[in-house]
Amino acid sequence: DQQVKQNSPSLSVQEGRISILNCDYTNSMFDYFLWYKKYPAEGPTFLISISSIKDKNEDGRFTVFLNKSAKHLSLHIVPSQPGDSAVYFCAASRYGGSQGNLIFGKGTKLSVKP
Amino acid sequence: EPEVTQTPSHQVTQMGQEVILRCVPISNHLYFYWYRQILGQKVEFLVSFYNNEISEKSEIFDDQFSVERPDGSNFTLKIRSTKLEDSAMYFCAGETSGATTQYFGPGTRLTVL
Repeated sequence: DQQVKQNSPSLSVQEGRISILNCDYTNSMFDYFLWYKKYPAEGPTFLISISSIKDKNEDGRFTVFLNKSAKHLSLHIVPSQPGDSAVYFCAASRYGGSQGNLIFGKGTKLSVKP
Repeated sequence: EPEVTQTPSHQVTQMGQEVILRCVPISNHLYFYWYRQILGQKVEFLVSFYNNEISEKSEIFDDQFSVERPDGSNFTLKIRSTKLEDSAMYFCAGETSGATTQYFGPGTRLTVL
């Protein structure tokens, strides 16, 4: 039962270009979404989040877009840097914030080439 | 900057043995979680813990699993009788009241032989 889906297992982007990572969800009760970045042998690190009352949230090079009608969100990284190479997880919550269990996607491995 | 820490980083055990995975959350965190990630699969929620009680648990968190916060500092996950399929990375996470994110530890890799 994949309530949160990241259909692209990998993405390769040239340094300086835009990286777009996509995430779809099926549960309309989700009202809070997060993106985490994970390096090998480390735990997930929070990147950016968005509440369902918004359609965009921006933090530096990272922007998350939410399309509730399509149950789709995306993470844009501009410009991409080699240090951004990692696995990116989309996660969703039903609790209006982060307090409660997070449902994760399978992740997308981003490779940013110099 | 304070971090969530987990010990050990790698635990190897024989099937049927008990293991205890330890986590030291950030001091002002009030909500605590355990997640696991089987190799190649997604991160899965196991259990949440607040005010010294389990607040939510998943289907994975059966009678073989237990959690406690014995001394107000450490947060532990015990697996009473490990199975081969318990082999995974186990992540502890925590957050403050009204927070917008959970902070994860580096994980413990559990290998059951």
